[in-house]
Amino acid sequence: SQQGEEDPQALSIQEGENATMNCSYKTSINNLQWYRQNSGRGLVHLILIRSNEREKHSGRLRVTLDTSKKSSSLLITASRAADTASYFCATDAFDDMRFGAGTRLTVKP
Amino acid sequence: DVKVTQSSRYLVKRTGEKVFLECVQDMDHENMFWYRQDPGLGLRLIYFSYDVKMKEKGDIPEGYSVSREKKERFSLILESASTNQTSMYLCASSSFGTLNTEAFFGQGTRLTVV
Repeated sequence: SQQGEEDPQALSIQEGENATMNCSYKTSINNLQWYRQNSGRGLVHLILIRSNEREKHSGRLRVTLDTSKKSSSLLITASRAADTASYFCATDAFDDMRFGAGTRLTVKP
Repeated sequence: DVKVTQSSRYLVKRTGEKVFLECVQDMDHENMFWYRQDPGLGLRLIYFSYDVKMKEKGDIPEGYSVSREKKERFSLILESASTNQTSMYLCASSSFGTLNTEAFFGQGTRLTVV
């Protein structure tokens, strides 16, 4: 079964607004990662947060992790039309990696 | 630059054919993965491998097999293709261990079984 579940399934915002996506997972993890996929392409890694970390920043991205609730959130600040894509969380537990169904983000100019 | 290359971008096969999807990575990664992606279902793990000749079933291995004879190459085999295997197939690789597990993906193979 899939490990991660993203929420919401789809999100539509205006350029300049912030976008928040959430991910819940089921079992213990080593790391949680977020990936982005532009239409019909392979996935690109955005950010990794280790299980002993609570928050991480990278440019306009902020990721939080709450292992007690088995959940994570991805915040994209000051969104741009170019951020339009699908975003996936992935959990890895040593040698496997499982993804959720993703959040489809649309940023309107 | 890390590169994961899948042999075909688009593929059309007939029901009952044996289909080979090839994936090659150039980063000396131990881990390799095959996923299928369907609308609304995200990426589902078919098989993964953490070493040459080693393979582990993922969540949906039925109807598929894999081969890893060399570290850089991981092949997905559809023994007898069926229409419900029409999908986007994604290959990925990553380092072994717990610290830097970032996965690198190929561009995907869109397989249509008719």
